[in-house]
Amino acid sequence: GENVEQHPSTLSVQEGDSAVIKCTYSDSASNYFPWYKQELGKRPQLIIDIRSNVGEKKDQRIAVTLNKTAKHFSLHITETQPEDSAVYFCAALPGSQGGSEKLVFGKGTKLTVNP
Amino acid sequence: DGGITQSPKYLFRKEGQNVTLSCEQNLNHDAMYWYRQDPGQGLRLIYYSQIVNDFQKGDIAEGYSVSREKKESFPLTVTSAQKNPTAFYLCASSILLSTGELFFGEGSRLTVL
Repeated sequence: GENVEQHPSTLSVQEGDSAVIKCTYSDSASNYFPWYKQELGKRPQLIIDIRSNVGEKKDQRIAVTLNKTAKHFSLHITETQPEDSAVYFCAALPGSQGGSEKLVFGKGTKLTVNP
Repeated sequence: DGGITQSPKYLFRKEGQNVTLSCEQNLNHDAMYWYRQDPGQGLRLIYYSQIVNDFQKGDIAEGYSVSREKKESFPLTVTSAQKNPTAFYLCASSILLSTGELFFGEGSRLTVL
């Protein structure tokens, strides 16, 4: 089955710097890659996603890139702010589940943005 | 106001007792999911259901049971057979994931005393 590895597990940056979180996946048929942000004590929420027919997607300070050949995708946050501090989860939706739809999540990255 | 509601938010249980966590959604989503969240372990799938009266085991189903009698409701029972039940439990729902996102509830924190 699909396996998603996420690195690093913790990341600390200074306000205004960029942050990059990387994920690799094992199932070459995976076709949908969302990123979720979970602030302390709150529910995870989708912040950006990318599908396998696209190489890059941007939304203001957040971007996601996908390299299907290497089977990895990354989250890029520019001009980080203290409110970006949270746990970020990547996920992949395998394309070979026989009609079942279930995301496979990475273990998460705790991002701390220091003022 | 549409969304997913989980209850209770906090629950304490003695060893050997079963406990049921509630999950209700009014988003008209077909699919519902239960995840367990432990520090450093990410989100692990317990059970999921893509249609009423049908559900499938996820990666860590042992010691848990579910039912899906109504489209809006997907309760999770943590049984006494679950060896380490203390955790944060998240319910989620979606339309087809290939076209839409996963919406999460606020979570239920279960502590076994």
